[in-house]
Amino acid sequence: QQQVKQSPQSLIVQKGGISIINCAYENTAFDYFPWYQQFPGKGPALLIAIRPDVSEKKEGRFTISFNKSAKQFSLHIMDSQPGDSATYFCAASYSGANNLFFGTGTRLTVIP
Amino acid sequence: EAGVTQFPSHSVIEKGQTVTLRCDPISGHDNLYWYRRVMGKEIKFLLHFVKESKQDESGMPNNRFLAERTGGTYSTLKVQPAELEDSGVYFCASSRLMGPGGNYEQYFGPGTRLTVT
Repeated sequence: QQQVKQSPQSLIVQKGGISIINCAYENTAFDYFPWYQQFPGKGPALLIAIRPDVSEKKEGRFTISFNKSAKQFSLHIMDSQPGDSATYFCAASYSGANNLFFGTGTRLTVIP
Repeated sequence: EAGVTQFPSHSVIEKGQTVTLRCDPISGHDNLYWYRRVMGKEIKFLLHFVKESKQDESGMPNNRFLAERTGGTYSTLKVQPAELEDSGVYFCASSRLMGPGGNYEQYFGPGTRLTVT
Protein backbone atom coordinates (compact mmCIF):
# COMPACT_ATOMS: atom_id res chain seq x y z
CA GLN A 1 0.00 0.00 0.00
CA GLN A 2 1.50 3.26 -1.14
CA GLN A 3 1.57 5.75 1.71
CA VAL A 4 2.20 8.87 -0.37
CA LYS A 5 0.63 9.49 -3.77
CA GLN A 6 2.29 11.93 -6.17
CA SER A 7 1.18 13.56 -9.39
CA PRO A 8 1.82 14.25 -12.16
CA GLN A 9 4.27 11.61 -13.29
CA SER A 10 5.87 14.04 -15.70
CA LEU A 11 5.63 17.77 -16.26
CA ILE A 12 6.84 20.08 -19.01
CA VAL A 13 7.00 23.79 -18.25
CA GLN A 14 8.24 26.78 -20.19
CA LYS A 15 11.13 28.76 -18.77
CA GLY A 16 9.76 31.38 -16.40
CA GLY A 17 6.58 29.44 -15.72
CA ILE A 18 5.33 27.89 -12.49
CA SER A 19 5.82 24.17 -11.87
CA ILE A 20 3.36 22.53 -9.48
CA ILE A 21 3.67 18.99 -8.11
CA ASN A 22 1.06 17.53 -5.80
CA CYS A 23 1.16 14.87 -3.13
CA ALA A 24 -1.42 13.29 -0.86
CA TYR A 25 -1.10 11.05 2.17
CA GLU A 26 -3.35 9.00 4.43
CA ASN A 27 -1.40 8.45 7.62
CA THR A 28 -2.32 11.28 10.01
CA ALA A 29 0.70 10.41 12.15
CA PHE A 30 2.97 11.93 9.51
CA ASP A 31 4.43 15.21 10.71
CA TYR A 32 7.44 15.77 8.49
CA PHE A 33 7.13 16.36 4.76
CA PRO A 34 10.33 16.80 2.75
CA TRP A 35 10.80 17.26 -0.96
CA TYR A 36 13.82 15.73 -2.66
CA GLN A 37 15.37 16.73 -5.98
CA GLN A 38 17.30 14.22 -8.05
CA PHE A 39 19.48 14.91 -11.07
CA PRO A 40 20.53 12.10 -13.42
CA GLY A 41 23.34 10.02 -11.99
CA LYS A 42 22.96 11.55 -8.55
CA GLY A 43 21.10 10.56 -5.44
CA PRO A 44 18.05 12.45 -4.17
CA ALA A 45 18.96 15.63 -2.28
CA LEU A 46 16.78 17.44 0.23
CA LEU A 47 15.27 20.54 -1.34
CA ILE A 48 12.84 21.85 1.24
CA ALA A 49 10.77 20.41 4.08
CA ILE A 50 7.73 21.40 6.12
CA ARG A 51 5.99 20.41 9.33
CA PRO A 52 2.19 20.59 9.64
CA ASP A 53 2.18 23.46 12.09
CA VAL A 54 2.55 25.87 9.15
CA SER A 55 0.60 26.04 5.90
CA GLU A 56 3.39 27.34 3.73
CA LYS A 57 7.16 27.44 3.61
CA LYS A 58 9.19 29.34 1.08
CA GLU A 59 12.86 29.09 0.21
CA GLY A 60 13.88 31.18 -2.75
CA ARG A 61 11.84 30.10 -5.78
CA PHE A 62 10.61 26.94 -4.03
CA THR A 63 7.44 26.90 -1.91
CA ILE A 64 5.66 24.08 -0.11
CA SER A 65 1.94 24.52 0.45
CA PHE A 66 0.43 22.27 3.09
CA ASN A 67 -3.25 21.48 3.67
CA LYS A 68 -3.59 19.42 6.83
CA SER A 69 -7.35 18.90 6.62
CA ALA A 70 -7.11 17.63 3.04
CA LYS A 71 -3.92 15.67 3.79
CA GLN A 72 -2.26 17.19 0.78
CA PHE A 73 0.92 19.11 0.13
CA SER A 74 2.45 20.55 -2.99
CA LEU A 75 5.67 21.99 -4.33
CA HIS A 76 5.60 25.17 -6.35
CA ILE A 77 8.62 26.24 -8.36
CA MET A 78 8.33 29.86 -9.39
CA ASP A 79 10.17 31.26 -12.43
CA SER A 80 11.16 27.73 -13.47
CA GLN A 81 14.59 27.44 -15.10
CA PRO A 82 16.12 24.76 -17.34
CA GLY A 83 18.47 23.97 -14.46
CA ASP A 84 15.43 22.89 -12.44
CA SER A 85 14.90 19.97 -14.81
CA ALA A 86 15.14 16.94 -12.54
CA THR A 87 13.01 14.31 -10.83
CA TYR A 88 11.20 15.51 -7.72
CA PHE A 89 10.06 13.23 -4.93
CA CYS A 90 7.73 14.12 -2.11
CA ALA A 91 8.07 12.14 1.08
CA ALA A 92 6.59 11.85 4.53
CA SER A 93 7.68 10.61 7.89
CA TYR A 94 6.87 11.04 11.56
CA SER A 95 8.97 12.21 14.44
CA GLY A 96 11.49 9.67 15.51
CA ALA A 97 10.75 7.40 12.56
CA ASN A 98 13.52 5.57 10.86
CA ASN A 99 12.42 5.82 7.30
CA LEU A 100 10.89 8.08 4.70
CA PHE A 101 7.83 7.15 2.67
CA PHE A 102 8.29 8.46 -0.86
CA GLY A 103 5.97 9.31 -3.70
CA THR A 104 6.60 7.85 -7.15
CA GLY A 105 8.42 10.93 -8.43
CA THR A 106 7.74 13.64 -11.02
CA ARG A 107 10.07 14.19 -13.92
CA LEU A 108 10.16 17.93 -14.56
CA THR A 109 11.43 19.33 -17.83
CA VAL A 110 11.80 23.08 -18.20
CA ILE A 111 12.15 24.11 -21.83
CA PRO A 112 13.96 27.34 -22.77
CA GLU B 1 33.01 16.69 3.58
CA ALA B 2 32.71 13.63 1.36
CA GLY B 3 29.19 12.50 0.61
CA VAL B 4 27.67 9.05 0.72
CA THR B 5 29.41 6.76 -1.73
CA GLN B 6 28.14 3.53 -3.23
CA PHE B 7 29.86 0.80 -5.18
CA PRO B 8 29.39 -0.39 -7.83
CA SER B 9 27.43 2.20 -9.77
CA HIS B 10 26.05 -0.48 -12.07
CA SER B 11 25.83 -4.24 -11.84
CA VAL B 12 24.43 -6.69 -14.36
CA ILE B 13 24.10 -10.27 -13.18
CA GLU B 14 22.22 -13.38 -14.19
CA LYS B 15 19.34 -14.81 -12.25
CA GLY B 16 20.65 -17.06 -9.50
CA GLN B 17 23.94 -15.24 -9.06
CA THR B 18 25.04 -13.30 -6.00
CA VAL B 19 25.70 -9.57 -5.83
CA THR B 20 27.06 -7.46 -3.00
CA LEU B 21 26.46 -3.73 -2.87
CA ARG B 22 28.54 -1.46 -0.71
CA CYS B 23 27.74 1.86 0.95
CA ASP B 24 30.11 4.23 2.71
CA PRO B 25 28.14 6.78 4.75
CA ILE B 26 29.23 10.27 5.66
CA SER B 27 31.81 10.10 8.42
CA GLY B 28 30.21 10.43 11.83
CA HIS B 29 26.72 9.50 10.67
CA ASP B 30 25.42 6.74 12.92
CA ASN B 31 22.21 6.21 10.96
CA LEU B 32 22.46 4.28 7.72
CA TYR B 33 19.50 3.40 5.52
CA TRP B 34 18.99 1.26 2.45
CA TYR B 35 16.21 2.04 -0.02
CA ARG B 36 15.26 0.62 -3.41
CA ARG B 37 13.49 2.08 -6.39
CA VAL B 38 12.01 -0.26 -8.93
CA MET B 39 11.52 1.48 -12.29
CA GLY B 40 8.64 3.92 -12.22
CA LYS B 41 7.74 3.15 -8.65
CA GLU B 42 8.39 4.93 -5.37
CA ILE B 43 11.65 4.78 -3.45
CA LYS B 44 11.00 2.12 -0.82
CA PHE B 45 12.64 1.68 2.54
CA LEU B 46 14.51 -1.57 3.09
CA LEU B 47 16.26 -1.25 6.43
CA HIS B 48 17.93 1.00 8.94
CA PHE B 49 21.11 0.64 10.98
CA VAL B 50 22.08 2.61 14.04
CA LYS B 51 25.80 2.14 14.22
CA GLU B 52 26.25 -1.62 13.74
CA SER B 53 22.79 -2.62 14.96
CA LYS B 54 19.79 -3.27 12.74
CA GLN B 55 17.11 -0.93 14.03
CA ASP B 56 14.40 -1.76 11.53
CA GLU B 57 14.46 -4.26 8.70
CA SER B 58 10.75 -4.33 8.05
CA GLY B 59 11.22 -3.35 4.42
CA MET B 60 13.49 -6.22 3.44
CA PRO B 61 11.66 -8.16 0.72
CA ASN B 62 12.70 -11.67 1.79
CA ASN B 63 15.55 -13.71 3.20
CA ARG B 64 17.53 -13.53 -0.03
CA PHE B 65 18.61 -10.08 1.13
CA LEU B 66 21.25 -9.75 3.83
CA ALA B 67 22.58 -6.45 5.12
CA GLU B 68 25.54 -5.95 7.39
CA ARG B 69 27.33 -3.03 8.95
CA THR B 70 30.35 -4.39 10.71
CA GLY B 71 32.06 -1.90 13.01
CA GLY B 72 29.37 0.68 12.40
CA THR B 73 31.08 2.16 9.37
CA TYR B 74 30.36 0.96 5.85
CA SER B 75 27.50 -1.35 5.02
CA THR B 76 26.96 -4.14 2.51
CA LEU B 77 23.76 -5.46 1.03
CA LYS B 78 23.97 -8.94 -0.42
CA VAL B 79 21.37 -10.47 -2.69
CA GLN B 80 21.66 -14.25 -2.95
CA PRO B 81 20.37 -15.73 -5.18
CA ALA B 82 19.22 -12.80 -7.30
CA GLU B 83 15.83 -12.91 -9.02
CA LEU B 84 14.51 -10.83 -11.92
CA GLU B 85 12.29 -8.75 -9.62
CA ASP B 86 15.34 -7.60 -7.66
CA SER B 87 16.29 -5.27 -10.50
CA GLY B 88 16.19 -1.61 -9.57
CA VAL B 89 18.26 1.20 -8.12
CA TYR B 90 19.48 0.65 -4.59
CA PHE B 91 20.10 3.81 -2.61
CA CYS B 92 21.98 4.19 0.61
CA ALA B 93 21.44 7.19 2.87
CA SER B 94 22.95 8.34 6.13
CA SER B 95 22.11 10.85 8.81
CA ARG B 96 23.21 11.98 12.21
CA LEU B 97 21.75 10.30 15.25
CA MET B 98 18.28 11.65 15.92
CA GLY B 99 17.21 13.26 19.14
CA PRO B 100 13.70 12.77 20.55
CA GLY B 101 11.10 13.92 18.06
CA GLY B 102 13.71 14.85 15.52
CA ASN B 103 14.10 14.22 11.84
CA TYR B 104 17.58 14.84 10.60
CA GLU B 105 18.23 15.21 6.91
CA GLN B 106 19.07 11.98 5.16
CA TYR B 107 21.92 12.29 2.67
CA PHE B 108 21.63 9.92 -0.25
CA GLY B 109 24.30 8.24 -2.29
CA PRO B 110 24.11 8.09 -6.10
CA GLY B 111 22.70 4.56 -6.03
CA THR B 112 23.64 1.23 -7.52
CA ARG B 113 21.66 0.22 -10.59
CA LEU B 114 21.17 -3.54 -10.42
CA THR B 115 19.97 -5.43 -13.47
CA VAL B 116 19.16 -9.12 -13.12
CA THR B 117 18.81 -10.92 -16.46
